[in-house]
Amino acid sequence: DAGVIQSPRHEVTEMGQEVTLRCKPISGHDYLFWYRQTMMRGLELLIYFNNNVPIDDSGMPEDRFSAKMPNASFSTLKIQPSEPRDSAVYFCASSLTGTLRRAADEQFFGPGTRLTVL
Amino acid sequence: KNEVEQSPQNLTAQEGEFITINCSYSVGISALHWLQQHPGGGIVSLFMLSSGKKKHGRLIATINIQEKHSSLHITASHPRDSAVYICAGSRTQGGSEKLVFGKGTKLTVNP
Repeated sequence: DAGVIQSPRHEVTEMGQEVTLRCKPISGHDYLFWYRQTMMRGLELLIYFNNNVPIDDSGMPEDRFSAKMPNASFSTLKIQPSEPRDSAVYFCASSLTGTLRRAADEQFFGPGTRLTVL
Repeated sequence: KNEVEQSPQNLTAQEGEFITINCSYSVGISALHWLQQHPGGGIVSLFMLSSGKKKHGRLIATINIQEKHSSLHITASHPRDSAVYICAGSRTQGGSEKLVFGKGTKLTVNP
């Protein structure tokens, strides 16, 4: 398996534009996580899905952010409109299960998308 | 106060030295994960601990549940160990279980 795939790897956009980040989880993994990493706040969970259903979106910063998982092999994170404070690295991760206390529930991270909003 | 606190924030060592990175966590955290973030940005899971100790090569992770403290040790450190090491706690809230992260420890091992 190629691992978790994210695209694009880098995105530079202007304030007010719509940004769509994409993720393909590892085949067979039931859980998909979206994280954001900034220098100030470190890694933060934005939202996660189980079997394509959003389970916890309490980390989504505001209504400008939305995430979908239309099928088991694809998820998107959309920001509309984007703002400079959204600049960060966005990681997607997947795991076999969501019970994080078991070693089998190791999360596999994608390479991340570095977003710069000017 | 953050749920997961790491120390030190930055650490510089000479090749061959023994390294310790510490992580303290709050009530409600049921397991600890150690992650490694390479200079290129990729993140890899190293360990998951809910008790005791785990070892993988030159890396050792321990956890003390009573003291709510975990440590990551690197023996015979090497420049290729240079990375950011992140401690993350597994927390259940509102029926969902998720990771909360420390700010990371940037390790630089000089040859």
